Amino acid sequence: RKEVEQDPGPFNVPEGATVAFNCTYSNSASQSFFWYRQDCRKEPKLLMSVYSSGNEDGRFTAQLNRASQYISLLIRDSKLSDSATYLCVAPGGGGKLIFGQGTELSVKP
Amino acid sequence: DTGVSQNPRHKITKRGQNVTFRCDPISEHNRLYWYRQTLGQGPEFLTYFQNEAQLEKSRLLSDRFSAERPKGSFSTLEIQRTEQGDSAMYLCASSLWGTGGQEYGYTFGSGTRLTVV
Repeated sequence: RKEVEQDPGPFNVPEGATVAFNCTYSNSASQSFFWYRQDCRKEPKLLMSVYSSGNEDGRFTAQLNRASQYISLLIRDSKLSDSATYLCVAPGGGGKLIFGQGTELSVKP
Repeated sequence: DTGVSQNPRHKITKRGQNVTFRCDPISEHNRLYWYRQTLGQGPEFLTYFQNEAQLEKSRLLSDRFSAERPKGSFSTLEIQRTEQGDSAMYLCASSLWGTGGQEYGYTFGSGTRLTVV
């Protein structure tokens, strides 16, 4: 089993839709997680950190469910500019990051 | 200093050749990480340095791969006798690791895209 698993998608949604991504992790000792956004052929960029209480930033909400060992990312009122790959990330110890496969989102007009 | 800089941006090489990539981290950052990303996958950890010390190497880092950070500033990643399976994006990241174990400013460079033909 991979340490971090995501549905690769692609998710094709119309503008204005709400879309949710889930991610599961295997290391129950992990305390915090991250969602990164990666545009085509670019580097990953931090979107949100996810702690036990969850996190909300504008149209984006991240939640952590420790009992089921999954993390979610909700995007409301999706924009064309949200089209990207969203990477679920767990800490790997010593500062290294463990990335999921990534979920591709395509927002259509 | 505007961020993590990686050179070259793209590299095409013939199978069997050696290649070297360079990463210049954010100047005050003491940690430097190398990752590899293949098409359709997330980045995979290769190795990392704290200052000039290489603290961990992934089992993905075969004997053909070597990384250095001789003065605790820039780092190089060399691949010897390249194979087609080495084709990937090689990403560098840097951060500031504090004495309390907190990490700040984790930032990725734009990567070096390697194509082995």
